[in-house]
Amino acid sequence: DAEITQSPRHKITETGRQVTLACHQTWNHNNMFWYRQDLGHGLRLIHYSYGVQDTNKGEVSDGYSVSRSNTEDLPLTLESAASSQTSVYFCASSEWTGGVNQFFGPGTRLTVL
Amino acid sequence: EDQVTQSPEALRLQEGESSSLNCSYTVSGLRGLFWYRQDPGKGPEFLFTLYSAGEEKEKERLKATLTKKESFLHITAPKPEDSATYLCAVQAPGNQFYFGTGTSLTVIP
Repeated sequence: DAEITQSPRHKITETGRQVTLACHQTWNHNNMFWYRQDLGHGLRLIHYSYGVQDTNKGEVSDGYSVSRSNTEDLPLTLESAASSQTSVYFCASSEWTGGVNQFFGPGTRLTVL
Repeated sequence: EDQVTQSPEALRLQEGESSSLNCSYTVSGLRGLFWYRQDPGKGPEFLFTLYSAGEEKEKERLKATLTKKESFLHITAPKPEDSATYLCAVQAPGNQFYFGTGTSLTVIP
């Protein structure tokens, strides 16, 4: 069955370190998204991609970057981790851009000390 | 600014006690309104998509409805396994999704 996976599921890191969270989907979806989920804020969009070599900034993109070199993967990089980036991160994918639901991965819980 | 507001924040129901969750939105040019279920420690799981006012979708004990400014998720005769957080999201003309903060539902046996 097609699926979307994230790794690691849990990560503890220190302030200032570079961290990369992986997202892999086997749906062959063109569109992929990264969100963070925090209490009181719901899911907020960090970056998204509509295809290979395409990346776009979302609502809370500062301090994060993504690159899309193939259809299946959209890694999220925290260039210099900050305590404010402690959160649960979800990757999602969708087939089309308009009016189609997104499929979510299981999430990565990141703690920045 | 586009906004999605869900109410109540938390809801406790006795098993079999029907109720409704609300999602109000201010986005213009709605491309779709989505309901998701999220269990603790897991990613959101898709439930419904609604596209236009007057539309309704049903799945087991859940029914979602849509008006021009809000959506309701009706839960009929809930069971303990319906306990979860229910998220509402809207897709704006720019294709971005905006999520509400969710309603945490607890169904007591």
